[in-house]
Amino acid sequence: DTGVSQDPRHKITKRGQNVTFRCDPISEHNRLYWYRQTLGQGPEFLTYFQNEAQLEKSRLLSDRFSAERPKGSFSTLEIQRTEQGDSAMYLCASSLVGGRAFFGQGTRLTVV
Amino acid sequence: TQLLEQSPQFLSIQEGENLTVYCNSSSVFSSLQWYRQEPGEGPVLLVTVVTGGEVKKLKRLTFQFGDARKDSSLHITAAQPGDTGLYLCAGGAGGSQGNLIFGKGTKLSVKP
Repeated sequence: DTGVSQDPRHKITKRGQNVTFRCDPISEHNRLYWYRQTLGQGPEFLTYFQNEAQLEKSRLLSDRFSAERPKGSFSTLEIQRTEQGDSAMYLCASSLVGGRAFFGQGTRLTVV
Repeated sequence: TQLLEQSPQFLSIQEGENLTVYCNSSSVFSSLQWYRQEPGEGPVLLVTVVTGGEVKKLKRLTFQFGDARKDSSLHITAAQPGDTGLYLCAGGAGGSQGNLIFGKGTKLSVKP
């Protein structure tokens, strides 16, 4: 399967714990995006990378959130000191510059 | 701030009926995209409309982009249970970033 892959698919964590999600984009895609989707809402943009450079961060991305794409391939999104309000589906998408975005299946985070 | 408003928020119909969902904004978008999302999955692109007044057909789905490029509609003819899902419209946030602004979606349920 050469689509966008996200791991894990589901994560349940206790409030205050740190969590890390991984996204493997389509191999030749140089852009990678992270979105968050809560129940009843459309996806909201968090941040994006072009190759290894993080070029844009939304105001939604508090200082507890950090994303990396160290070699311009896979990316990780870490949430420190999780809060119940962080419960959401975290979606990754990749594209070529100017091309359509392909979304992964998402990581469903539940903070209890 | 660019916003996309979708209506209706929920739609429950019987198999064989026709329906139209709407996506409206006060802002001009260079293009709009329609996605379909199933529970627990990422959004899947259905179509991109670029030119004001453009009409695109995808089997029983007809997409229209408003002349002023501020609104779009999706019409489904003879809906089937397999059409059930969340329909999202999205527009480019502008600039070269490529990130998308999504509406909240229309949750469609087609009953057999």
